[in-house]
Amino acid sequence: DQQVKQNSPSLSVQEGRISILNCDYTNSMFDYFLWYKKYPAEGPTFLISISSIKDKNEDGRFTVFLNKSAKHLSLHIVPSQPGDSAVYFCAASAVGYGGATNKLIFGTGTLLAVQP
Amino acid sequence: KAGVTQTPRYLIKTRGQQVTLSCSPISGHRSVSWYQQTPGQGLQFLFEYFSETQRNKGNFPGRFSGRQFSNSRSEMNVSTLELGDSALYLCASGLDGSVNYGYTFGSGTRLTVV
Repeated sequence: DQQVKQNSPSLSVQEGRISILNCDYTNSMFDYFLWYKKYPAEGPTFLISISSIKDKNEDGRFTVFLNKSAKHLSLHIVPSQPGDSAVYFCAASAVGYGGATNKLIFGTGTLLAVQP
Repeated sequence: KAGVTQTPRYLIKTRGQQVTLSCSPISGHRSVSWYQQTPGQGLQFLFEYFSETQRNKGNFPGRFSGRQFSNSRSEMNVSTLELGDSALYLCASGLDGSVNYGYTFGSGTRLTVV
């Protein structure tokens, strides 16, 4: 059962425009959400995160929105740059449940291509 | 400070063999988690070790096992390799209960089973 879903395998946008990557989850116990960027043959690199007590978190060109009622989060990149081209994974964790464990549930990823 | 180090970077094994992968966490981190990445499946959690004890386990068969040493270095073992075990294996190190702070991934070990 895929608890975290990224339904768009790929996304292509023009340089300078907005990129919107979407993620849905099913487990209401998730209380922390993260976005990672990944290049082939490398480990994921942390981008931005959001706690379930918030609905928005912003860091430079990256903004994550969380809609708890819809169990949906999105990552906005504005403006998009060619260097943003990579696979983006959303991940969720139940930090506040089951003790202090480090376990992330990942989506299947979205390949973002930013065209010059 | 040094990042998470995984060795080897690449590995080719034959079906039926076993393999051991190594992960050295960031200094001071006592939690090491392992993930498997395969095409179409994303990253799937294998297990987490903290202070030499397995603290959490994903839904993988018993052929997948691990351990952690007193210096926090961790090894992952896969026995009786199958073709479907071909994947990028990633480890992540962190402080206690800290996926939201300083949770860092290594570059992974690419395992190919032939």
